[in-house]
Amino acid sequence: EPEVTQTPSHQVTQMGQEVILRCVPISNHLYFYWYRQILGQKVEFLVSFYNNEISEKSEIFDDQFSVERPDGSNFTLKIRSTKLEDSAMYFCASSDRRGQGANTEAFFGQGTRLTVV
Amino acid sequence: LAKTTQPISMDSYEGQEVNITCSHNNIATNDYITWYQQFPSQGPRFIIQGYKTKVTNEVASLFIPADRKSSTLSLPRVSLSDTAVYYCLVGAAAGTASKLTFGTGTRLQVTL
Repeated sequence: EPEVTQTPSHQVTQMGQEVILRCVPISNHLYFYWYRQILGQKVEFLVSFYNNEISEKSEIFDDQFSVERPDGSNFTLKIRSTKLEDSAMYFCASSDRRGQGANTEAFFGQGTRLTVV
Repeated sequence: LAKTTQPISMDSYEGQEVNITCSHNNIATNDYITWYQQFPSQGPRFIIQGYKTKVTNEVASLFIPADRKSSTLSLPRVSLSDTAVYYCLVGAAAGTASKLTFGTGTRLQVTL
C-alpha cells in the first residue's frame, strides 16, 4: 500500500534555529498538506499546497513557516526561527483529489516529532 | 464548518461491537461525514465516509439518519488493536485534508 513518508521521525533543535521537515507524498497525488499536533491536543491544519503554490493556510502558519516542493517527490516545511511552542508532532498528508466526490481521502504520514529546547 | 460533538471516551471489551455517535446539528447540504482513526504517535487514518443512509467497508459501518444531524460509526467485534482516538469530521471538502477540522475525538479503550 502506498504511504506518505516523513523524515526525520524525531528532531531536537535549539530555540531560534531553523528546521526543515521533509515529506515524500504518495507519488500520483496532487494535493499536499501539513498539520501539527501539540502533545495532548487536537490535530491542527497548517497549510495546503497545490500546483506549486499555497492553496490555503491557517492563522498558525505565519511568516516563520514556509513550504516548498523542491523537486517532483519531496514536500518540505521550514520553520525559520523555532520557538518553544513549536514543539509538536508535524504530519504531512496528501490526496489525489480535492473534494470532487465521495471517498476522497487524505493519507497522513507517521509524523515528525519536533522538540525545541 | 459544522461543529461536531462526540463522547470524550468509551470503553469496550474485545469482541464486542462498538458504536460511536457524533452529533452535527448544523451540517450543511453539501457536507460529507468522515471518520478518522489515530493511534498514539501516528498520523490520522481515514476509516469511512458517507453522505446519507448507510455505508459499509471492510473496517466499519457508518449510519446516517435521514436528517443527517448525527452519525454513528460502528466497529464490529473490536480487538485490542482498535484502541485509538476516533474523530468525526464534517465538511464540504469531502475526505480531503484541506482545512479538515479535528475535534478532540473519542478515545476508545478496548480491554480483554
